[in-house]
Formats: sequence, C-alpha cells, structure tokens
Amino acid sequence: VQLVESGGGVVQPGQSLRLSCVGSGYTFNTFAMHWVRQAPGKGLEWLTAISHDGNDKYYAESVKGRFTVYRDNSKDTLYLEMISLRSDDTAFYYCARVGHRPYSSAWSQAHYWGQGALVIVSS
Amino acid sequence: DIQMTQSPSTLSASVGDRVTITCRASQSISSWLAWYQQKPGKAPKLLIYKASGSESGVPSRFSGSGSGTEFTLTISSLQPDDFATYYCQQYASYPTFGGGTTVEIK
Repeated sequence: VQLVESGGGVVQPGQSLRLSCVGSGYTFNTFAMHWVRQAPGKGLEWLTAISHDGNDKYYAESVKGRFTVYRDNSKDTLYLEMISLRSDDTAFYYCARVGHRPYSSAWSQAHYWGQGALVIVSS
Repeated sequence: DIQMTQSPSTLSASVGDRVTITCRASQSISSWLAWYQQKPGKAPKLLIYKASGSESGVPSRFSGSGSGTEFTLTISSLQPDDFATYYCQQYASYPTFGGGTTVEIK
C-alpha cells in the first residue's frame, strides 16, 4: 500500500490550492479516506473524511465551507480542494486510508498514511 | 466535539524503562481509540487500534488498554527507536487527536 500526495506549495492568503493523493497497492475504491494536517511544530488535526464510494463526506468545523474532499475512483485518486486559504492553514497535509478491511466505516483508524504535502500560505 | 487530553505532554525516560501514557476523553468513546507514533519529518504510524488491538508488525512491547473515557499506552521496555511523539485519536464520532506526548531521552 502506498499513498502519494502532491500539489503542495506556497500560495498567498485568499488563494486556492488542490491537493491530490494517489493510492496504489490495493483496491482504492473499497476504503474510506481521511485528510489530516499538522502545522509546523504542532499536533495532528483531522480535517475531512470520505466514504469508499465518495457518497458520504464529513468535515471539521475549522474547514467546513472552505475545503472540499472528493475522489475519482477511476484514477485511484483522492483530492482536497482548498479555497480562501489563510496563514493558519500552513501545514503538512496527510492523506490516510482508514479501516482494517474493505468497506469499513469511515470512522476508523488510519492504517496507512502518505508522506505529506507542505502547504505554505504567506504573502 | 469530543476532546482528548493526553498526559504527560513530555516524558523523560531511559532505555529499558516502562513507560505509560494516558489519554482521557471528554465523553465515553467505548473502545474507539487509536494510538500513533510519529518521528520528526515522518507521517504518523498506527500502533494500536480499538483501544487494545495491535497493528501488524508493531513490536509486542507496545500495548493499549482502557475503555469509556480512560486509556493508556504502555511501552514495556523502552528501546532507542521508541523516542518519538505519541498521539491518541478517538473515532467514535468526528475524529479528534490528543495533544501528543513526546518521549525524550533522560
């Protein structure tokens, strides 16, 4: 199992960015996925979850309305669309596969994580 | 939101020590709790899930216990590779993480 994020970079406040996470080594469309972020030197913050089929989505209050999670199972890819970015969105963003077995609940532990994508929001 | 409180925030220990980290939930989460280990510059690694279930490949010196609102992660004999930061996470509802416990060399 491998998860590879991409799309990070430096953006100005108010701008948008889309992160991608490509899954390989397993049947991508059978597992729910999460995004978790970590500001430099800080703890982990859960952001959003999406069911295996993309029909169910959940968001932390801190990003609801600004971040959108979706997936393209034909491309084995998870996305995080971020708009109206602020300086406090600066962080490493991790995608994670959750659940011990296929079709597990989206509320589950994260067995596999990507390497992280760094997003810096700065003028 | 369910708040997760970890203690201590920092722990100084020596190789061979028995180490215990505590995580408390603001309301009952049954056994829906995971523990992760994170080293600098790396992604978190799952150690324990459903409070006491061991992730495949994790050394047996790591164990978890508890249910309801109080949980512990125990390292039976601390090894050099175990100096890291540990996080608990509840997933009974929208997931939340504890603040982390950094295990330092004494």
